[in-house]
Amino acid sequence: QSVLTQPPSASGTPGQRVTISCSGSSSNIGSNTVNWYQQLPGTAPKLLIYSNNQRPSGVPDRFSGSKSGTSASLAISGLQSEDEADYYCAAWDDSLNGLFGGGTKLTVL
Amino acid sequence: EVQLVQSGAEVKKPGESLKISCKGSGYSFTSYWIGWVRQMPGKGLEWMGIIYPGDSDTRYSPSFQGQVTISADKSISTAYLQWSSLKASDTAMYYCARSATAMVYGDAFDIWGQGTMVTVSS
Repeated sequence: QSVLTQPPSASGTPGQRVTISCSGSSSNIGSNTVNWYQQLPGTAPKLLIYSNNQRPSGVPDRFSGSKSGTSASLAISGLQSEDEADYYCAAWDDSLNGLFGGGTKLTVL
Repeated sequence: EVQLVQSGAEVKKPGESLKISCKGSGYSFTSYWIGWVRQMPGKGLEWMGIIYPGDSDTRYSPSFQGQVTISADKSISTAYLQWSSLKASDTAMYYCARSATAMVYGDAFDIWGQGTMVTVSS
């Protein structure tokens, strides 16, 4: 069981806005930044959001991140079929260990 | 182009040893932390550990401490993950990934290798 808790699944129809939550504690999300990764089927993970809400070059602005206290969220607006993937939140804990959430499988209906 | 290229898929028997590799190119290999991530079949990502090739400073997740060894050879810009005695439960995809900012520990992973599938079966 992951220290960072994500819902196992989420879904939406094309054009909709969906959010994926990530819940942690004061020793990880509460005191460190959150990153989000997208893993398309059969491929390596890709950095989607870093430092809570920053998008790497090339990531569409449909993707946004936020953090409040010990929780974080990934929002995807204008949902597209190619967004169907697994999404993982990640953070570091105060012992300097890396942590991943359990992952959320996003289905575009 | 900045990239990490991992060694190919492996099929091993329980009890055998294994060393897989991750070669960096297109950037200063010694200046960025390299992490290893496990993904068991149908499961999520797990952080295993990380190494700074510049001085081989290495940290392990408590879950993987003693189970694997992470090393690097900066002369050939390559990081390694090795097992001395494989178990069936080591069957997984293994990814290496680079920290996004030079010399910064605890950063996001911005560049990922393509993954190495390790299958352990008698």
